[in-house]
Amino acid sequence: ENVLTQSPAIMSASLGEKVTMSCRASSSVNYMYWYQQKSDASPKLWIYYTSNLAPGVPARFSGSGSGNSYSLTISSMEGEDAATYYCQQFTSSPLTFGAGTKLELK
Amino acid sequence: QVQLQQSGPELVKPGASVKISCKASGYAFSSSWMNWVKQRPGQGLEWIGRIYPGDGDTNYNGKFKGKATLTADKSSSTAYMQLSSLTSVDSAVYFCARGATVVARYFDYWGQGTTLTVSS
Repeated sequence: ENVLTQSPAIMSASLGEKVTMSCRASSSVNYMYWYQQKSDASPKLWIYYTSNLAPGVPARFSGSGSGNSYSLTISSMEGEDAATYYCQQFTSSPLTFGAGTKLELK
Repeated sequence: QVQLQQSGPELVKPGASVKISCKASGYAFSSSWMNWVKQRPGQGLEWIGRIYPGDGDTNYNGKFKGKATLTADKSSSTAYMQLSSLTSVDSAVYFCARGATVVARYFDYWGQGTTLTVSS
């Protein structure tokens, strides 16, 4: 299966700080998808087809990458952005998720 | 609006089976893949498999073959997941999630989750 490795596992950022998290695939993928999950809630679609923001996602978020390497960036950290972010691929079966990056507010 | 309403928490004994439901509304149930995802406490997400209610076609993560059985009832717009021979490692929150687009490579709507506890 295609293993997705997210880094860092945990990070903290101050308000207004730029944040970048990474997702590396063991095999090349066509697209990467990202979800945001807050405690005791269901995941929410955040970014689809690598760089498209889901409805309602603030424009300070962006996604990029190709092949084996993808990233999610927040241009300026807000308090509501504290959450765990998961990447996901379905270029090959089975569909797999990364282990998540937990983003905390410093 | 699209909604996925899952059944309530379950407490079952080891070795037993359980059937979790996911009632869909707000869209054409038969025309979208329905996926199931497992999340153990404090852990990440695992894809179990998916079903296309229109014709009952299923795809499973090999890890869950023999453990999970996916079905769907078009008349009630409800998807089901049965888990068998339960052990403590099956204790988790289980989500249903709709596959977005015809190709369904990602999920655009999620249920609220069903907590399964396996304990004697």
